[in-house]
Amino acid sequence: DIQMTQSPSSLSASVGDRVTITCRASQTIDTFLNWYQQKPGKVPKLLIYVASTLQSGVPSRFSGSGSGTDFTLTISSLQPEDFATYYCQQSFNTPLTFGGGTKVEIK
Amino acid sequence: QVQLVESGGGVVQPGRSLRLSCAASGFTFSTYAMHWVRQAPGKGLEWVAIISYDGSDGYYADSVKGRFTISRDNSKNTLYLQMNSLRAEDTAVYYCAKANRITVTKGIHIEYWGQGILVTVSS
Repeated sequence: DIQMTQSPSSLSASVGDRVTITCRASQTIDTFLNWYQQKPGKVPKLLIYVASTLQSGVPSRFSGSGSGTDFTLTISSLQPEDFATYYCQQSFNTPLTFGGGTKVEIK
Repeated sequence: QVQLVESGGGVVQPGRSLRLSCAASGFTFSTYAMHWVRQAPGKGLEWVAIISYDGSDGYYADSVKGRFTISRDNSKNTLYLQMNSLRAEDTAVYYCAKANRITVTKGIHIEYWGQGILVTVSS
């Protein structure tokens, strides 16, 4: 099975900061990597798929990059509504696997 | 709009069985693969299972393989998860989720999520 490792597991940032979250796969997954956002008490929401394609309706301050084993999610200017937990997920093969999550908190 | 409504959760003793259902509406259910994903209290997301549009292919997480069975009834627009030999570590909110494509292929992801249903395994 492919293991997905996210770092950091949590971070504190201020509104307006640039935030970068990293996701590493235990083997190459090409660009078959998705990112989801989950706010407290809410259902997860798809942000980005195949590493860099923004889901419809997602603000352009979110971007994704990477291929092979190393991927990043970047929020160019953190907004109050972005405080949440972010998960990566590989869709290269089954079992599909999520990373452990990165909680973005207010500094 | 897409709606996914889970039912069948509750408290169950270890070793017993439970079947979750997910009623789908707002899209052509028979033309999309479907997932189950779970989240233990205070923990991260764990993908559980996926089924192809016609039910011919199903895949599972190692943690549930041999105990859980995913199935669907396209005539009823309903997805199921049969959970047998339940363990305390199966305690979680279970989400029904719609995939972005018809078959289980590279690049599949989750487009929509249900609100989730809590399953508690406890004596």
